[in-house]
Amino acid sequence: KAGVTQTPRYLIKTRGQQVTLSCSPISGHRSVSWYQQTPGQGLQFLFEYFSETQRNKGNFPGRFSGRQFSNSRSEMNVSTLELGDSALYLCASSLNSLLEQFFGPGTRLTVL
Amino acid sequence: KQEVTQIPAALSVPEGENLVLNCSFTDSAIYNLQWFRQDPGKGLTSLLLIQSSQREQTSGRLNASLDKSSGRSTLYIAASQPGDSATYLCAARYTGANSKLTFGKGITLSVRP
Repeated sequence: KAGVTQTPRYLIKTRGQQVTLSCSPISGHRSVSWYQQTPGQGLQFLFEYFSETQRNKGNFPGRFSGRQFSNSRSEMNVSTLELGDSALYLCASSLNSLLEQFFGPGTRLTVL
Repeated sequence: KQEVTQIPAALSVPEGENLVLNCSFTDSAIYNLQWFRQDPGKGLTSLLLIQSSQREQTSGRLNASLDKSSGRSTLYIAASQPGDSATYLCAARYTGANSKLTFGKGITLSVRP
């Protein structure tokens, strides 16, 4: 059974640009959550989607947005990139949000 | 505020030692707690999930316990090996609407050959 996949794995952008990250959950999983991981703040929750609906959102500015498609694949978008957005972005999938979470390898975003 | 704390931030032990990693949470209204392993620059690997109704879970050399009354979970690693070197994170999911996983900062474990 294939695991959670994230594309791209690495990304370099400059300030002011926007970026879209993609996450494909484990087959059959309908819940996808996104997290930002930085050395200083650790893992912080961005948002969670279930069956194309955003169920929960963390304390991030509106520049961070996401969506989920009918096949459960999810994308997150960050507009007007700032240096502080440099981080490892992780997505996790589960059958439903209350069950065991399985993480992808992450996308390493560097903002110059 | 619902928080998760892991102390110490780093630990170094000789190979073969049995060790315990601690995780503290602030709210006893916990739904479940999950332990993860993260290798440098990689994603998280799920190790064990404990539901609030359970006291412990075991997988191979790993055993995780949950004590809601004291707000603590422990991950026990038996006969540690250099390959166990990684960062171990615990994450609590509290009860209530729109619950999310709240992570500790992790414990970086180094097992010396």
